[in-house]
Amino acid sequence: RKEVEQDPGPFNVPEGATVAFNCTYSNSASQSFFWYRQDCRKEPKLLMSVYSSGNEDGRFTAQLNRASQYISLLIRDSKLSDSATYLCVVSLTPPFSGGYNKLIFGAGTRLAVHP
Amino acid sequence: EPEVTQTPSHQVTQMGQEVILRCVPISNHLYFYWYRQILGQKVEFLVSFYNNEISEKSEIFDDQFSVERPDGSNFTLKIRSTKLEDSAMYFCASSDGQVVEQYFGPGTRLTVT
Repeated sequence: RKEVEQDPGPFNVPEGATVAFNCTYSNSASQSFFWYRQDCRKEPKLLMSVYSSGNEDGRFTAQLNRASQYISLLIRDSKLSDSATYLCVVSLTPPFSGGYNKLIFGAGTRLAVHP
Repeated sequence: EPEVTQTPSHQVTQMGQEVILRCVPISNHLYFYWYRQILGQKVEFLVSFYNNEISEKSEIFDDQFSVERPDGSNFTLKIRSTKLEDSAMYFCASSDGQVVEQYFGPGTRLTVT
């Protein structure tokens, strides 16, 4: 079983649409969770950390369900500039704990927003 | 905004040659990492580095690989004898040790012929 699983997509949506991505992780000891965004042949860029209570940053909302080992990302009012691959990432290191940590990446979900 | 930088952006080398990939992490960060991404595949952890020593390394990080922080700013990844399968994008990342978020450099595309 893969450590982090994501639907590869692509998700093709019109501008203004709401789109949701899901991710499952296999290691119940995972402590920190993130969504990164990666444009074609570029570096992963941190989109948001995901906290147990869920969190929102503008048009982006992330949720975590530890019992189901499931993370989600909701994008509202999609923009053309949201077109990218969204990477679900987990770590065994607790947030705010300091220390080194190894990020475990999913293969990503590709989003294409069209006019 | 401070950022991680990497040089070169693209390196072409012949099989069996040594390469050194260079990174300048964010200046107040304490933890440094290398990841790689083979074209079309996921990002994979290679190694983490703190206080001038390796904290953790993956199975990929075999004896052909080494890391070094030769001075107060640079962080390098050396591959001693490159193989065709080492062709990938290599990303350097750093974190400040207070929170776990890591910030990535733009990557070095390594092509082994």
